[in-house]
Amino acid sequence: QSVLTQPPSVSAAPGQKVTISCSGSSSNIGSNYVSWYQHLPGTAPKLLIYENNKVSSGTPDRFSGSKSGTSATLGISGLQTGDEGDYYCATWDRSLGDPRVVFGGGTKLTVL
Amino acid sequence: QVQMVQSGPEVKKPGASVEVSCEASGYTFTTYGISWVRQAPGQGLEWMGWITTYDGQTNYAQKFRGRITMTTDTSTRTAYMELRSLSADDTAVYYCARCGSPLAMDVWGKGTTVAVSS
Repeated sequence: QSVLTQPPSVSAAPGQKVTISCSGSSSNIGSNYVSWYQHLPGTAPKLLIYENNKVSSGTPDRFSGSKSGTSATLGISGLQTGDEGDYYCATWDRSLGDPRVVFGGGTKLTVL
Repeated sequence: QVQMVQSGPEVKKPGASVEVSCEASGYTFTTYGISWVRQAPGQGLEWMGWITTYDGQTNYAQKFRGRITMTTDTSTRTAYMELRSLSADDTAVYYCARCGSPLAMDVWGKGTTVAVSS
């Protein structure tokens, strides 16, 4: 059970926009940057967003990130079937004392 | 282009150790750290730790301390992750990733499957 909570799944039609939330606490999101990763079936994970809202090199500008308080959001516009896969947020967490990088539980995106 | 090439699949017995290697190319090795992340079957991503390549400093996730060692060889541009006292729960795909900071893992290896079974 991750300290970062993501919805297990989201879905939308091609061309639509979807948002994926990542909820945490003052021990993690509230005091640290957030990154977002895409993990498509059979491939290695890919960095999409870092430092809350900076788009990683090579990532289409259809992807966006934001953070407010202890929550972060990934937005994907102009959905394509190739976007289907799992999406993870990540940040530092200090809730157990020692700092560690934690991933959210992941959200499965289905493009209907 | 920037690449991280990992070693091949491993099958180990409980109690054994495994070492996964990750050879980097296409960039100045010592200007980025290396993180290790694993994914067990049907589970999400789990951060194991990272190592700074210019001085070898490590930061291990508390869960793995005492049975994990990360090292680098700058002469061969290779990072290594050794995990000891394996159990079935360590069956997973292990990834290395280049990172400017532990949160910004921007180039990943294809993953190394480690299966632990008696």
